[in-house]
Amino acid sequence: DQQVKQNSPSLSVQEGRISILNCDYTNSMFDYFLWYKKYPAEGPTFLISISSIKDKNEDGRFTVFLNKSAKHLSLHIVPSQPGDSAVYFCAASYDTGGFKTIFGAGTRLFVKA
Amino acid sequence: EAQVTQNPRYLITVTGKKLTVTCSQNMNHEYMSWYRQDPGLGLRQIYYSMNVEVTDKGDVPEGYKVSRKEKRNFPLILESPSPNQTSLYFCASSPLRGPSEKLFFGSGTQLSVL
Repeated sequence: DQQVKQNSPSLSVQEGRISILNCDYTNSMFDYFLWYKKYPAEGPTFLISISSIKDKNEDGRFTVFLNKSAKHLSLHIVPSQPGDSAVYFCAASYDTGGFKTIFGAGTRLFVKA
Repeated sequence: EAQVTQNPRYLITVTGKKLTVTCSQNMNHEYMSWYRQDPGLGLRQIYYSMNVEVTDKGDVPEGYKVSRKEKRNFPLILESPSPNQTSLYFCASSPLRGPSEKLFFGSGTQLSVL
């Protein structure tokens, strides 16, 4: 049973427009939610995160929104750039004495010039 | 430069031939972990370690072994590889300060078991 779900395998957006990547989760124990970005032939790199006690976190062109009642989060990229084309992984983390991080399946974003 | 280094980047082997994928980090991180990435399944945790000589199973540990004899190294061992272990593997590390800590990943090892 996947606790973190990214239901859109891919997304195509025109350069300059907004990209919205969605993520749903099932476990109420998650304390933090993180987004990672992955280019081909590279490892994932951290992009942005949000605590479960907040509903929005912004970093430049990237904003993450959290709706706890719906167990849903989204990553907004505005404006989208061709260099944003990558696979984006949603991840959720909770305290286990250390911590446990569970990843979604990823969404491949294509930003067309 | 702070980094997680995995070797090799690509590996083709045959069923049953023991192999080791090395992982080293230079950030003095307590926490290290191995993941495998498969299409439609995302990143699944194989094993993790919260400190030297402390290792624990993740979500998909069958067929894998790890060791943590030194803080910086966390090798992944496949004693008898099988074709269903063909996958893209990532090593990651993090300071062990809590669930808000981000993971630092290596560049990946693409393994094919024939």
